[in-house]
Amino acid sequence: DAGVIQSPRHEVTEMGQEVTLRCKPISGHDYLFWYRQTMMRGLELLIYFNNNVPIDDSGMPEDRFSAKMPNASFSTLKIQPSEPRDSAVYFCASSLFQYEQYFGPGTRLTVT
Amino acid sequence: AQSVSQHNHHVILSEAASLELGCNYSYGGTVNLFWYVQYPGQHLQLLLKYFSGDPLVKGIKGFEAEFIKSKFSFNLRKPSVQWSDTAEYFCAVTNNAGNMLTFGGGTRLMVKP
Repeated sequence: DAGVIQSPRHEVTEMGQEVTLRCKPISGHDYLFWYRQTMMRGLELLIYFNNNVPIDDSGMPEDRFSAKMPNASFSTLKIQPSEPRDSAVYFCASSLFQYEQYFGPGTRLTVT
Repeated sequence: AQSVSQHNHHVILSEAASLELGCNYSYGGTVNLFWYVQYPGQHLQLLLKYFSGDPLVKGIKGFEAEFIKSKFSFNLRKPSVQWSDTAEYFCAVTNNAGNMLTFGGGTRLMVKP
């Protein structure tokens, strides 16, 4: 299996622009998670899905952030409009039921 | 709600020194416990896990962890560290009631050659 796939790996954008991060989970996994990692705040869970349905989005920082999972093999995290404080590494992870999560390589987002 | 505490935020060791990183969790029910490692510039990778059975768990690269239920602890150990073990280590817990993996704040380990 190729593992969790994320794209792009690096994104540099200007403040106010829309940013879309993409994730393809491991085939057969029924949970998908979006995390954000910064030096100041560490690893934060933003939202997670079970069978394509958002279960808990309490970690989403504000309305500028939205996430979708239209099918079992694809999810997006969108930031609109982006701000410099959104600069971080965004990880997607997937798991099968309650077992360990497998992380993707991350997207390093820089908002100038 | 469950929580995970890693009391050592930064650890600096010389090669060949022994390592023990503390992890304590708060949850009264059955838990599944994990240690993840994040090498510089990379994503989190599973180091080892405990679901049930022998409380002494052996993982990759010579790491092991011991689940002590009475102390709500799952400390990570390695008898002799190498420079390549320089990384950030995260303890995590999930419970059988759901799939919410709660991470500790992480411990940055630097191993000096």
